[in-house]
Amino acid sequence: DAKTTQPPSMDCAEGRAANLPCNHSTISGNEYVYWYRQIHSQGPQYIIHGLKNNETNEMASLIITEDRKSSTLILPHATLRDTAVYYCIVSARRAGNMLTFGGGTRLMVKP
Amino acid sequence: NAGVTQTPKFRILKIGQSMTLQCAQDMNHNYMYWYRQDPGMGLKLIYYSVGAGITDKGEVPNGYNVSRSTTEDFPLRLELAAPSQTSVYFCASSRTGDEKLFFGSGTQLSVL
Repeated sequence: DAKTTQPPSMDCAEGRAANLPCNHSTISGNEYVYWYRQIHSQGPQYIIHGLKNNETNEMASLIITEDRKSSTLILPHATLRDTAVYYCIVSARRAGNMLTFGGGTRLMVKP
Repeated sequence: NAGVTQTPKFRILKIGQSMTLQCAQDMNHNYMYWYRQDPGMGLKLIYYSVGAGITDKGEVPNGYNVSRSTTEDFPLRLELAAPSQTSVYFCASSRTGDEKLFFGSGTQLSVL
């Protein structure tokens, strides 16, 4: 699976959009971009995933560049409850969804 | 639905002791996984299973064993506990191999 690079930490004001970047320059054609988050010490929570088109669900939007070498997770109106570590993961869909969780980005939403 | 249930939530072991971490899911998921997370780090895959009777090693399997006799349960066995196994252990499941993972709330284990 391709390696990802994320900033270790970011701040965001409550009510503003949080834009979390992720670089995955070695991504291959069959690899998807997944985003999970981990609030405090809870188990990680799935947010969204995509292959090459932009995706949106009730939690967030995922913007993937045309060359697929980077992506951005957007939380449109961040709340204090969005404070968490956000993991960007690149993985090919195959038997055994063995996602590799790196260091992630610690997002702090401030009032 | 309870989702993925892990027990116990906390445990302290002495060096050399053994224990089993329990994981159960009620979503009829075929795939189940065990991860560990050391302080300030990401998650590392220990073992996974693609169905009852089938298990395979992940990134850090040494010192652990698993079994999958039913679809619902995927226990993780620690034999001869060592301080290096002090960690938070997460169990997860997914319906198929390429769908999102559902995680349990974790077991915090300390080996002293």
